[in-house]
Amino acid sequence: RKEVEQDPGPFNVPEGATVAFNCTYSNSASQSFFWYRQDCRKEPKLLMSVYSSGNEDGRFTAQLNRASQYISLLIRDSKLSDSATYLCVVNEGTYKYIFGTGTRLKVLA
Amino acid sequence: EAGVTQFPSHSVIEKGQTVTLRCDPISGHDNLYWYRRVMGKEIKFLLHFVKESKQDESGMPNNRFLAERTGGTYSTLKVQPAELEDSGVYFCASSQDRYTIYFGEGSWLTVV
Repeated sequence: RKEVEQDPGPFNVPEGATVAFNCTYSNSASQSFFWYRQDCRKEPKLLMSVYSSGNEDGRFTAQLNRASQYISLLIRDSKLSDSATYLCVVNEGTYKYIFGTGTRLKVLA
Repeated sequence: EAGVTQFPSHSVIEKGQTVTLRCDPISGHDNLYWYRRVMGKEIKFLLHFVKESKQDESGMPNNRFLAERTGGTYSTLKVQPAELEDSGVYFCASSQDRYTIYFGEGSWLTVV
């Protein structure tokens, strides 16, 4: 079983749609959680950290469910510029990040 | 402020040759990491430096890979001899703490 699992997609959605991604992690002792965004042939960039209480940044909302060991990312009012791969990243309390394979999103005009 | 810079951005080498990748972290970042993504797989941790010391090299695949960080500034990752399965993108990252790490644009390696 992979340490961090994501649906690879692609998710093809029309502009303005709401889309949600989930990610599950295997280590219940994991401490920090993040969503990164990666554009084609570019480096991963931090989108947002994920907290147990949930957090929102504009059109993006992240949630953490420790009991079920999953993390979600909700994007509202999708824009063409949101098209990218979204990487779920988990930290187990060390300096090592564990990445999921990423979920590809394509927002269509 | 300059971000994490990597060189070369692309490299094509023959199997059996040697390649050295270089990373310049963000100035003042003691933590430096190497990650890589091979085709169809997730990004995987290779190793972590704090200044010039290797803190964790649990992700290094085998002894064909050698990472150094002389003087605690830039780092190099040498692959010798390169094999076909080493093809992929090698990301360097740096951070001041373990919560926000910044990635370079990657060095794309193709072994033919």
